[in-house]
Amino acid sequence: DIQMTQSPSSLSASIGDRVTITCRASQTMTKYLNWYQQKPGKAPKLLIYAASNLQSGVPSRFSGSESGTDFTLTIGSLQPEDFATYYCQQTYSIPITFGQGTRLEIK
Amino acid sequence: EVQVVESGGGLVKPGGSLRLSCTASGFTFSVYSMIWVRQAPGTALEWVSSISSSSNYIYYADSVKGRFTISRDNARNSVYLQLSSLRVEDTAIYFCARDPARLSSGSHVPYYFDYWGRGAPVIVSS
Repeated sequence: DIQMTQSPSSLSASIGDRVTITCRASQTMTKYLNWYQQKPGKAPKLLIYAASNLQSGVPSRFSGSESGTDFTLTIGSLQPEDFATYYCQQTYSIPITFGQGTRLEIK
Repeated sequence: EVQVVESGGGLVKPGGSLRLSCTASGFTFSVYSMIWVRQAPGTALEWVSSISSSSNYIYYADSVKGRFTISRDNARNSVYLQLSSLRVEDTAIYFCARDPARLSSGSHVPYYFDYWGRGAPVIVSS
């Protein structure tokens, strides 16, 4: 199974900050890495698919990149609605696995 | 507008069974894979099962293999998850979602999950 390790597990930031969340895969995999945002009591929302493709309707301040086994989600300028938990997910192989989540809080 | 709605959750005793349903609208259901993901209280998301558009490709997490069964009825725009031999650790919110899927070595495999329902709670307790 491919294990996905997210860092940091929690993060405090201010409105307007640039934030980076990283997900490291336990083995080599190519591009089949997705990012989701989840707010309390709500369903997850797809932000980025296949490492760097912005899902329709998602603001352009969200972006994704890939470097080897490291995948990065960047939020260019934090907005109030961005405070949530973020999960990475690999669909490179079965079983599909998620990272443990990064909780983004207001500083 | 794409909509995905789960139903059938509830309280069940350990060893019991339950069937979850997921009904979709706003898109051509028969060309998409569908999936189930669960989330136990205060924990991360866990993929449970996936079914391809024509039910030819079905996948399960090891934690539910042999106990859960996924199926779909394209005429009813619905996907189902039959939960059997339930354990306390199966307690979770169960989400249904759409998956465009992709081809890998001739098989349809999961790709990304773009539309989700609000979830159905399953509580396994004596």
